[in-house]
Order: sequence, then structure tokens, then C-alpha cells
Amino acid sequence: NAGVTQTPKFQVLKTGQSMTLQCAQDMNHEYMSWYRQDPGMGLRLIHYSVGAGITDQGEVPNGYNVSRSTTEDFPLRLLSAAPSQTSVYFCASSYSTPVTDTQYFGPGTRLTVL
Amino acid sequence: GENVEQHPSTLSVQEGDSAVIKCTYSDSASNYFPWYKQELGKRPQLIIDIRSNVGEKKDQRIAVTLNKTAKHFSLHITETQPEDSAVYFCAAYYSSGYALNFGKGTSLLVTP
Repeated sequence: NAGVTQTPKFQVLKTGQSMTLQCAQDMNHEYMSWYRQDPGMGLRLIHYSVGAGITDQGEVPNGYNVSRSTTEDFPLRLLSAAPSQTSVYFCASSYSTPVTDTQYFGPGTRLTVL
Repeated sequence: GENVEQHPSTLSVQEGDSAVIKCTYSDSASNYFPWYKQELGKRPQLIIDIRSNVGEKKDQRIAVTLNKTAKHFSLHITETQPEDSAVYFCAAYYSSGYALNFGKGTSLLVTP
């Protein structure tokens, strides 16, 4: 199993550009989530999904969209990038909710918005 | 939502000493408390967790204690080694959503 994979590893955007961060898992996990990590702020939840076709907002959803058309993939879209979205983004997944099953993190995407 | 506070933000210990990191949470309905370790440039990885029906859990040199009445839980690392140097995050389950709320992290440095 590849586990949780994320692409790209690094990305530089200009303000106003759009892009999609990819996340995939091959463990048949129902639960997937996106976090952003900023210095001194810990991990903050952006969006999560409890299964294909179901998504919900986390703590910091503004400026981000998600969809879950398959169990394996959970892309994160930035519609109009802003410097405040400069961060490291982690995707995570678990078989069920993080309460009942271990949550596994992907390797992260480091995004810089100029 | 759930508010998780973590202290200290930085901690420096000598190799062989013990390290303790403390977290408090606000949602009295929280029932699951994991700890993650993140080495520099790497992803967070679960190291130990505890559920609300247990007061203490141990795994070799690491242990977690939970005080539900006071709404706080702690990570204890004994006989620290340089490879324990990392950022440690506590988290609490957010009972009104299917998500974990994380503390802001503790940067632990173990010096030889």
C-alpha cells in the first residue's frame, strides 16, 4: 500500500491563481480530511469527508473547496489564492472517524502564495 | 467548538531526563485524546492515545494520563533520547463534528 499520497510536494502561486492539491489513499478509508499547518498554530481542520459524496466544513474552510466523488480521492481546491493561504497542507485518512481508527497523514504540500 | 490548549510551547531536557507536556480541553463530552509526533519536515504520526474510560496508558517510555474532571491530559516521556526531539501535538475529539481539534504543539529538544 502506498498509504496517503499528496501532490505536489511544493507549489508557488501568485495571488489570484487557482489550483488543486491532490490527495489519494489506497487503504479503503472512508474518512478523509485536510489540515493546514502554520508556525505556532498547530494543525487546523479545513474540510473533511465521512464518505464518498459527503463533505463538511472544519475550523478554517473559507477560500477552499472540496469534493469526494470516489472513496480514494479528496482534492482541495483554492479558487483564488491569497498570501494568507501560504502554509503546509496535510491530508489525512482513517477507516472510520478519527475517534475509532488511527488517522494517517500524507507527506504534505508546502504552498507559497506571492 | 473544542478548544485545546497545550503547554509548554518549547521544552528542553537533558538526555535521560523526563519530559511532560500538558493539554487542557473545553468540551466535556470529548472522549478521545491522541498524541502525535512530528519530526522536522515530516508528517505527524500517532504515538499514543487514550479514551475517556481509561485514566492512564503506557507504551514503553511514553505514557498518557487523563483527568476528565479537570479536563486535562498529559504526555510523559521517560529516559529521553535525542531521537525524541520533535514537535508533539495533543488533540481532542470534537464531539459535535467528526474531527479532531489539535493543540498548537510543543517543540521538544533533547540534548546529549
